[in-house]
Amino acid sequence: EVQLVESGGGLVQPGGSLRLSCAASGFTFSSHWMHWVRQAPGKGLVWVSRIKYDASVTNYADSVKGRFTISRDNAKNTVYLQMNSLRADDSAVYYCARGAQWQYYVDVWGKGTTVTVSS
Amino acid sequence: QSALTQPRSVSGSPGQSVTISCTGTSSDVGSYNYVSWYQQDPGKAPKLMIYDVTKRPSGVPDRFSGSKSANTASLTISGLQAEDEADYYCCSYAGNSYYVFGTGTKVTVL
Repeated sequence: EVQLVESGGGLVQPGGSLRLSCAASGFTFSSHWMHWVRQAPGKGLVWVSRIKYDASVTNYADSVKGRFTISRDNAKNTVYLQMNSLRADDSAVYYCARGAQWQYYVDVWGKGTTVTVSS
Repeated sequence: QSALTQPRSVSGSPGQSVTISCTGTSSDVGSYNYVSWYQQDPGKAPKLMIYDVTKRPSGVPDRFSGSKSANTASLTISGLQAEDEADYYCCSYAGNSYYVFGTGTKVTVL
């Protein structure tokens, strides 16, 4: 069964840092782009970042560029999102999602992990 | 990187058809046939319903269909059923290696 399990969310003060992890199973992880998408409470989905299957390319939404870093460890079937200089408006459920192979959409989603930025 | 525009809500009775629009620009929806649609139940992860504007993944009922004209994509649910009540989001590849989601539409089955 294809599965994505996020972890690492929690409560952090403004200006703080947090690292999210997403463990993948049930598919050839090293063949897929991986994405992070977030959803603030009561709000819509927002694309955050993606990383190529071999980690050679990373892309970011303007709202997180320079503060967030996506990375992956194909040996551990895990993708990460390092979040620095966190702000209140970064508070959201963060979903890990699999990019469909050779395509421009995501086809599998994790259940999400909640990040709350508050003093 | 502005969100694609969707109606806040649409509603219909069981058996009726509803259509959700997703309006972008010539830089995203209008430039690429890479529009996807996701269904999200409250508190749950999104589920892929349509990709590449018109294609349905296996397991998605054929009452869900997609289309596009110029800068606007649409999702139509024909023969509306109670279990179709959910939030729906469109998403488009927008070039320059980024993606943009729609504002989301709540579908209510009357």
